[in-house]
Amino acid sequence: AQSVAQPEDQVNVAEGNPLTVKCTYSVSGNPYLFWYVQYPNRGLQFLLKYITGDNLVKGSYGFEAEFNKSQTSFHLKKPSALVSDSALYFCAVIWMDSNYQLIWGAGTKLIIKP
Amino acid sequence: ETGVTQSPTHLIKTRGQQVTLRCSSQSGHNTVSWYQQALGQGPQFIFQYYREEENGRGNFPPRFSGLQFPNYSSELNVNALELDDSALYLCATGIRGGPTGELFFGEGSRLTVL
Repeated sequence: AQSVAQPEDQVNVAEGNPLTVKCTYSVSGNPYLFWYVQYPNRGLQFLLKYITGDNLVKGSYGFEAEFNKSQTSFHLKKPSALVSDSALYFCAVIWMDSNYQLIWGAGTKLIIKP
Repeated sequence: ETGVTQSPTHLIKTRGQQVTLRCSSQSGHNTVSWYQQALGQGPQFIFQYYREEENGRGNFPPRFSGLQFPNYSSELNVNALELDDSALYLCATGIRGGPTGELFFGEGSRLTVL
């Protein structure tokens, strides 16, 4: 079955330190991978996506993600965390047979401490 | 701003009632998906519409129904409301036929069922 896993319910990082939010996937065929962010009581905002090409993808607010096909991972990273990065982060995947439906991870709560 | 507008933003209903939620999509977007997000959880796919026809459905009962109109706006209808239907309902629009798969989300409609 197709699935997306975010193994950490919560990640705590000190402001100014690098952050990583993990995502692994299991789909047949080539995936399209996405990261979305959700602030409290808000809708989801698109951060970045991997479709094809360079494995390192740069997105909004200084975030980037690395696609690793052999490890079926798409971890979200940022070199220097800000307190304002604190939010819920969701990884999602589309694969070619999915009729363009997104499969979502359960989300990871990122807490950046001053 | 994503250009996707949802209404109402908040509403309270009682068990057994019916509710209609509305979504106005960004110009040019021909697909709309609806998601249910319970507190502390990731979005759950309800269904997707493309060119006014449902072309994908998640694990939701038939009392969840929808419509997509020629102007690509959309409705989600829920009959016979249950307490567990209390959630944030998210509408997401996109462009079918393009390779990106990126979805644009509205801010959501928060439904409370008493």
